[in-house]
Amino acid sequence: NAGVMQNPRHLVRRRGQEARLRCSPMKGHSHVYWYRQLPEEGLKFMVYLQKENIIDESGMPKERFSAEFPKEGPSILRIQQVVRGDSAAYFCASSQGAPNSNQPQHFGDGTRLSIL
Amino acid sequence: GESVGLHLPTLSVQEGDNSIINCAYSNSASDYFIWYKQESGKGPQFIIDIRSNMDKRQGQRVTVLLNKTVKHLSLQIAATQPGDSAVYFCAENTLNTGNQFYFGTGTSLTVIP
Repeated sequence: NAGVMQNPRHLVRRRGQEARLRCSPMKGHSHVYWYRQLPEEGLKFMVYLQKENIIDESGMPKERFSAEFPKEGPSILRIQQVVRGDSAAYFCASSQGAPNSNQPQHFGDGTRLSIL
Repeated sequence: GESVGLHLPTLSVQEGDNSIINCAYSNSASDYFIWYKQESGKGPQFIIDIRSNMDKRQGQRVTVLLNKTVKHLSLQIAATQPGDSAVYFCAENTLNTGNQFYFGTGTSLTVIP
């Protein structure tokens, strides 16, 4: 009964490169969320997706960042032309129901992105 | 915007004692709350949740108390163990308006053997 799976666990990129972070939700979960966490800070919401649809991307920067959750395969958070300020831990969560259905989100162990 | 915060950034307790971690929220319309535990290098782990129509909920060794009057949430851990050492976050969501969960900064709990 696998939980939320994220890969890679650690990702190192040079400035200007692209970073791709993957997330496979828990079995039976069709709602996926991406969060960003800086050291000693709480989680900041980025984007909420359902299969093939972006429901809420209000927390995601308008430029360089994109997310998808295709019909088949994992959800992808993509950061183009990375800058040093993108260094952070990125967490994915999934839930069985919508965010306002009073069901908890379950998290993966994150991807630590380091920009050189 | 939303504001979810914690009274104390760090807490140290002796093994076997009870721990109380507090959380304040600002949105009186918040109606669903979750406590998460995050160990170093790992993602947040669900501990317990509570809906606003309740003021207390118990799990295994944990109790969550909700005081809607003062917009305060607490997590009580009974007989704290070294394995409980972690950062604890509260998160809140608002029914009908919330695609987002808002997370507090976290309280770092250290259990002294």
